[in-house]
Amino acid sequence: EAQVTQNPRYLITVTGKKLTVTCSQNMNHEYMSWYRQDPGLGLRQIYYSMNVEVTDKGDVPEGYKVSRKEKRNFPLILESPSPNQTSLYFCGTKKSSYNEQFFGPGTRLTVL
Amino acid sequence: QQQVKQSPQSLIVQKGGIPIINCAYENTAFDYFPWYQQFPGKGPALLIAIRPDVSEKKEGRFTISFNKSAKQFSLHIMDSQPGDSATYFCAANRLDGSSNTGKLIFGQGTTLQVKP
Repeated sequence: EAQVTQNPRYLITVTGKKLTVTCSQNMNHEYMSWYRQDPGLGLRQIYYSMNVEVTDKGDVPEGYKVSRKEKRNFPLILESPSPNQTSLYFCGTKKSSYNEQFFGPGTRLTVL
Repeated sequence: QQQVKQSPQSLIVQKGGIPIINCAYENTAFDYFPWYQQFPGKGPALLIAIRPDVSEKKEGRFTISFNKSAKQFSLHIMDSQPGDSATYFCAANRLDGSSNTGKLIFGQGTTLQVKP
Protein backbone atom coordinates (compact mmCIF):
# COMPACT_ATOMS: atom_id res chain seq x y z
CA GLU A 1 0.00 0.00 0.00
CA ALA A 2 1.35 3.41 -1.02
CA GLN A 3 1.76 5.56 2.02
CA VAL A 4 3.50 8.43 3.74
CA THR A 5 4.19 7.92 7.43
CA GLN A 6 5.06 10.51 10.03
CA ASN A 7 6.27 10.07 13.58
CA PRO A 8 5.38 11.09 16.14
CA ARG A 9 1.76 11.98 15.49
CA TYR A 10 1.54 14.12 18.61
CA LEU A 11 4.30 15.81 20.55
CA ILE A 12 4.36 18.21 23.46
CA THR A 13 7.75 19.64 24.28
CA VAL A 14 9.39 22.62 25.92
CA THR A 15 11.20 25.58 24.45
CA GLY A 16 14.75 24.80 23.37
CA LYS A 17 14.59 21.02 23.46
CA LYS A 18 15.74 19.67 20.09
CA LEU A 19 13.32 17.39 18.30
CA THR A 20 13.00 15.51 15.03
CA VAL A 21 9.85 14.61 13.17
CA THR A 22 10.37 11.75 10.77
CA CYS A 23 8.76 11.26 7.36
CA SER A 24 9.01 8.16 5.24
CA GLN A 25 7.43 7.23 1.88
CA ASN A 26 7.30 3.94 0.01
CA MET A 27 6.36 5.32 -3.42
CA ASN A 28 9.89 5.94 -4.69
CA HIS A 29 9.06 9.62 -5.19
CA GLU A 30 11.84 12.10 -5.85
CA TYR A 31 10.11 15.17 -4.46
CA MET A 32 9.40 15.54 -0.75
CA SER A 33 8.42 18.57 1.28
CA TRP A 34 7.34 19.77 4.69
CA TYR A 35 4.40 22.07 5.37
CA ARG A 36 2.95 23.63 8.45
CA GLN A 37 -0.79 24.24 8.76
CA ASP A 38 -2.08 27.09 10.88
CA PRO A 39 -5.69 28.35 11.19
CA GLY A 40 -6.50 30.97 8.58
CA LEU A 41 -3.13 30.55 6.85
CA GLY A 42 -3.58 27.28 5.00
CA LEU A 43 -0.51 25.14 4.39
CA ARG A 44 2.83 26.87 4.03
CA GLN A 45 5.92 25.13 2.73
CA ILE A 46 8.88 24.94 5.11
CA TYR A 47 11.49 23.01 3.10
CA TYR A 48 11.53 20.77 0.08
CA SER A 49 13.84 18.25 -1.52
CA MET A 50 14.03 17.31 -5.17
CA ASN A 51 16.16 14.25 -4.56
CA VAL A 52 18.78 12.74 -2.28
CA GLU A 53 21.17 15.38 -0.92
CA VAL A 54 19.19 18.17 -2.65
CA THR A 55 17.19 20.41 -0.31
CA ASP A 56 16.02 24.00 -0.44
CA LYS A 57 14.05 26.50 1.60
CA GLY A 58 10.33 26.98 1.19
CA ASP A 59 8.36 30.00 2.33
CA VAL A 60 8.79 29.68 6.11
CA PRO A 61 12.15 27.95 6.77
CA GLU A 62 13.29 29.90 9.83
CA GLY A 63 13.91 27.67 12.85
CA TYR A 64 13.86 24.42 10.86
CA LYS A 65 16.39 22.09 9.28
CA VAL A 66 16.01 19.09 7.01
CA SER A 67 18.17 16.38 5.52
CA ARG A 68 17.71 13.91 2.66
CA LYS A 69 20.24 11.12 2.98
CA GLU A 70 17.93 8.45 1.60
CA LYS A 71 15.24 8.76 -1.03
CA ARG A 72 12.47 7.48 1.21
CA ASN A 73 13.18 9.60 4.31
CA PHE A 74 12.96 13.34 4.90
CA PRO A 75 13.20 14.28 8.59
CA LEU A 76 12.30 17.72 9.91
CA ILE A 77 14.57 19.00 12.67
CA LEU A 78 13.81 21.73 15.15
CA GLU A 79 17.13 22.54 16.84
CA SER A 80 15.67 24.93 19.42
CA PRO A 81 11.86 24.89 19.26
CA SER A 82 9.93 27.98 20.25
CA PRO A 83 6.21 28.45 21.02
CA ASN A 84 5.59 30.03 17.59
CA GLN A 85 6.43 26.65 16.07
CA THR A 86 3.37 25.14 17.68
CA SER A 87 1.50 23.90 14.64
CA LEU A 88 0.26 20.95 12.60
CA TYR A 89 2.98 19.61 10.32
CA PHE A 90 2.54 17.62 7.13
CA CYS A 91 5.06 15.81 5.02
CA GLY A 92 4.27 15.68 1.32
CA THR A 93 5.66 13.63 -1.54
CA LYS A 94 5.16 13.47 -5.29
CA LYS A 95 6.75 11.96 -8.36
CA SER A 96 7.42 15.18 -10.27
CA SER A 97 6.19 18.71 -10.79
CA TYR A 98 2.64 18.05 -11.94
CA ASN A 99 1.88 14.78 -10.28
CA GLU A 100 -0.49 14.42 -7.38
CA GLN A 101 1.02 15.33 -4.04
CA PHE A 102 0.42 12.81 -1.27
CA PHE A 103 0.43 13.91 2.35
CA GLY A 104 1.22 12.11 5.55
CA PRO A 105 -1.28 11.99 8.44
CA GLY A 106 0.23 14.99 10.20
CA THR A 107 2.15 15.70 13.40
CA ARG A 108 0.60 18.00 15.96
CA LEU A 109 3.39 19.79 17.79
CA THR A 110 2.97 21.90 20.90
CA VAL A 111 5.94 23.87 22.23
CA LEU A 112 5.46 25.19 25.77
CA GLN B 1 1.81 37.98 -6.02
CA GLN B 2 2.44 34.41 -4.99
CA GLN B 3 -0.67 34.19 -2.87
CA VAL B 4 -3.88 32.34 -3.43
CA LYS B 5 -6.84 33.91 -1.66
CA GLN B 6 -9.68 31.59 -0.65
CA SER B 7 -13.18 32.39 0.58
CA PRO B 8 -15.28 31.89 2.56
CA GLN B 9 -13.41 30.77 5.65
CA SER B 10 -16.35 28.63 6.72
CA LEU B 11 -19.58 27.47 5.15
CA ILE B 12 -22.67 25.71 6.44
CA VAL B 13 -25.23 24.19 4.05
CA GLN B 14 -28.13 21.80 4.29
CA LYS B 15 -27.90 18.35 2.78
CA GLY B 16 -28.54 18.58 -0.95
CA GLY B 17 -27.31 22.16 -1.16
CA ILE B 18 -24.54 23.35 -3.48
CA PRO B 19 -21.67 24.89 -1.54
CA ILE B 20 -19.33 27.03 -3.59
CA ILE B 21 -15.78 27.86 -2.56
CA ASN B 22 -13.87 30.55 -4.39
CA CYS B 23 -10.19 31.18 -4.98
CA ALA B 24 -8.31 34.02 -6.66
CA TYR B 25 -4.71 34.35 -7.69
CA GLU B 26 -2.43 37.01 -9.13
CA ASN B 27 0.48 35.17 -10.68
CA THR B 28 -0.28 34.27 -14.28
CA ALA B 29 2.61 31.79 -14.20
CA PHE B 30 0.46 29.38 -12.16
CA ASP B 31 -0.45 26.52 -14.44
CA TYR B 32 -2.12 23.81 -12.39
CA PHE B 33 -4.92 24.27 -9.88
CA PRO B 34 -5.77 21.38 -7.54
CA TRP B 35 -8.31 21.18 -4.75
CA TYR B 36 -7.56 19.19 -1.62
CA GLN B 37 -10.02 17.75 0.89
CA GLN B 38 -9.00 17.26 4.50
CA PHE B 39 -10.91 15.35 7.16
CA PRO B 40 -10.15 15.89 10.85
CA GLY B 41 -7.01 14.05 11.92
CA LYS B 42 -5.98 13.31 8.35
CA GLY B 43 -3.66 14.81 5.80
CA PRO B 44 -5.07 16.66 2.77
CA ALA B 45 -5.96 14.44 -0.18
CA LEU B 46 -6.29 15.47 -3.82
CA LEU B 47 -9.94 15.87 -4.78
CA ILE B 48 -9.90 17.32 -8.29
CA ALA B 49 -7.56 19.46 -10.37
CA ILE B 50 -7.70 21.63 -13.48
CA ARG B 51 -5.30 23.21 -15.93
CA PRO B 52 -5.89 26.74 -17.28
CA ASP B 53 -6.64 25.57 -20.82
CA VAL B 54 -10.12 24.38 -19.81
CA SER B 55 -12.94 26.32 -18.17
CA GLU B 56 -14.61 23.50 -16.29
CA LYS B 57 -13.85 20.04 -14.99
CA LYS B 58 -16.29 17.68 -13.39
CA GLU B 59 -15.65 14.55 -11.35
CA GLY B 60 -18.73 13.02 -9.81
CA ARG B 61 -20.44 15.64 -7.67
CA PHE B 62 -17.41 17.93 -7.68
CA THR B 63 -16.89 20.61 -10.33
CA ILE B 64 -14.12 23.16 -10.81
CA SER B 65 -14.98 26.30 -12.73
CA PHE B 66 -12.00 28.25 -14.01
CA ASN B 67 -11.98 31.84 -15.25
CA LYS B 68 -8.54 32.57 -16.65
CA SER B 69 -9.19 36.23 -17.49
CA ALA B 70 -10.44 36.96 -13.98
CA LYS B 71 -7.77 34.75 -12.41
CA GLN B 72 -10.37 32.97 -10.34
CA PHE B 73 -11.45 29.40 -9.85
CA SER B 74 -14.10 27.79 -7.73
CA LEU B 75 -15.24 24.43 -6.40
CA HIS B 76 -18.89 23.45 -6.55
CA ILE B 77 -20.23 20.42 -4.69
CA MET B 78 -23.51 19.19 -6.14
CA ASP B 79 -26.06 17.44 -3.92
CA SER B 80 -23.83 17.88 -0.88
CA GLN B 81 -23.86 15.19 1.79
CA PRO B 82 -22.91 15.19 5.49
CA GLY B 83 -19.92 13.04 4.52
CA ASP B 84 -18.60 16.01 2.51
CA SER B 85 -18.07 17.92 5.77
CA ALA B 86 -14.35 18.66 5.73
CA THR B 87 -11.83 21.42 5.16
CA TYR B 88 -11.16 22.26 1.53
CA PHE B 89 -8.01 23.89 0.22
CA CYS B 90 -7.46 25.31 -3.21
CA ALA B 91 -3.91 25.48 -4.47
CA ALA B 92 -1.91 26.69 -7.40
CA ASN B 93 1.21 25.20 -8.83
CA ARG B 94 4.18 27.20 -10.00
CA LEU B 95 7.52 26.18 -11.37
CA ASP B 96 10.16 27.20 -8.87
CA GLY B 97 12.70 29.05 -10.97
CA SER B 98 15.02 26.72 -12.85
CA SER B 99 14.44 23.79 -10.53
CA ASN B 100 11.05 22.83 -11.97
CA THR B 101 9.82 21.67 -8.60
CA GLY B 102 6.17 22.52 -9.19
CA LYS B 103 5.66 24.11 -5.79
CA LEU B 104 2.11 24.26 -4.44
CA ILE B 105 0.79 27.51 -3.02
CA PHE B 106 -2.27 26.88 -0.85
CA GLY B 107 -5.29 28.99 -0.10
CA GLN B 108 -6.33 29.62 3.50
CA GLY B 109 -8.85 26.80 3.64
CA THR B 110 -12.65 26.58 3.97
CA THR B 111 -14.34 24.52 6.64
CA LEU B 112 -17.54 23.08 5.22
CA GLN B 113 -20.33 21.64 7.34
CA VAL B 114 -23.21 19.88 5.62
CA LYS B 115 -26.17 19.50 7.94
CA PRO B 116 -28.39 16.40 7.63
